[in-house]
Formats: sequence, C-alpha cells, structure tokens
Amino acid sequence: AQRVTQPEKLLSVFKGAPVELKCNYSYSGSPELFWYVQYSRQRLQLLLRHISRESIKGFTADLNKGETSFHLKKPFAQEEDSAMYYCALRVDSSYKLIFGSGTRLLVRP
Amino acid sequence: DAGVIQSPRHEVTEMGQEVTLRCKPISGHNSLFWYRQTMMRGLELLIYFNNNVPIDDSGMPEDRFSAKMPNASFSTLKIQPSEPRDSAVYFCASRSQYSVIHFGNGTRLTVT
Repeated sequence: AQRVTQPEKLLSVFKGAPVELKCNYSYSGSPELFWYVQYSRQRLQLLLRHISRESIKGFTADLNKGETSFHLKKPFAQEEDSAMYYCALRVDSSYKLIFGSGTRLLVRP
Repeated sequence: DAGVIQSPRHEVTEMGQEVTLRCKPISGHNSLFWYRQTMMRGLELLIYFNNNVPIDDSGMPEDRFSAKMPNASFSTLKIQPSEPRDSAVYFCASRSQYSVIHFGNGTRLTVT
C-alpha cells in the first residue's frame, strides 16, 4: 500500500541550528515526492518537489530510493520557518497526492 | 488568478445539521480534490474528481459525506447529518495535467 510516514509530530530547534524533517514512503513503483508547507492559518503551499532538485528558502530534499526517504533539510533554521510541513507522494499516473501526517517545526529565538 | 476559492471560511453548526462546503477551482484545472485536516490524522484525501467525474472516493468517511462537481468551476462537499467528530479544516485543491496541486484557504468547520 502507498503510504507516507513522518515520524515526528513536533520538531523544536533554536534559530541557526540545522533542521532535518524526516519523511519515509512506501511505494513499489516510481514515486514523485513533494514537500508542502503551511504557515499559521494559511493555505498549503508547495515548497519543493524532488524532480526539480532545487533549493527553496534554503531547504533541500534528496530522494533516496534505497532508504525510501525524502528528508527535508536546512542548515540554519530561521524563526520564519516555523510552520507545519507535509511530505507528499504522487504515485504513477495518478492525480492524487498521499500526505504524511505532518511535522510542526518550531524555531525558537 | 485568485487561486482556489473556498467558502465559507468558517462554519459553526450544531450536531445534526446539514453542512455544505463550496469550492471554485482554478480556471483550466481539470482535477479537484477534497482533503480534511485534523490534529490527529493530518491531511486525508476524501475524494477527487477528474473532468468533473469522481475517480476515487475511498477516503470519504461514511455515507453522511457526499461530494458533487456539477461543472468544471464548482464543487460541493456536504455532510448530513453533521457530528462533532467532523470538526476539522476542509481543504479543496485543484490541478491541471501539467501543474502541481494548488490549495484553497480551507473551511474551518466546528460542529457543536
């Protein structure tokens, strides 16, 4: 079955510290992975997608098919990064996204 | 582009009442999704439409929930009768074949 697992409900770090939000997926085919971010009481926004191999707001994520992971990383967290982060999986030829349960990132001053 | 438009932004109702949530997808998008967000379960896909046709409704929790898409620019999610455990934020989202999913601002539903 297709599944996305985000093991941490809450991740609290100090400003300037490195951040890694974990995401593991379960899918036997060729996955397409995304990270979405939701700032307080706002809509979900696409942060990045693995096929773009880009860095957005200092965040990067590398798809590791061997470990079936797509962890989100940032070397130096900022207070404005505090938000809810969702990892999502799009399966082949499908229009739908399967989301993880989300990780709340809290960056303390 | 105004993005995906949902109404109302907030809905407070009493248990047993009918609730209707509305969504206007982005013009030109041919897929529409309804998600429910709760603290316990995060984001859950309830149903999605492709070209106005329901493709997968396996996430709809029970018969009290129904969704329609009468045309390409409008969809509704109805709960009848509503229960306190339905309290959540309901997101509508849309996409085209060549775009990523775009989310609306959500409707915060409180059932007392």
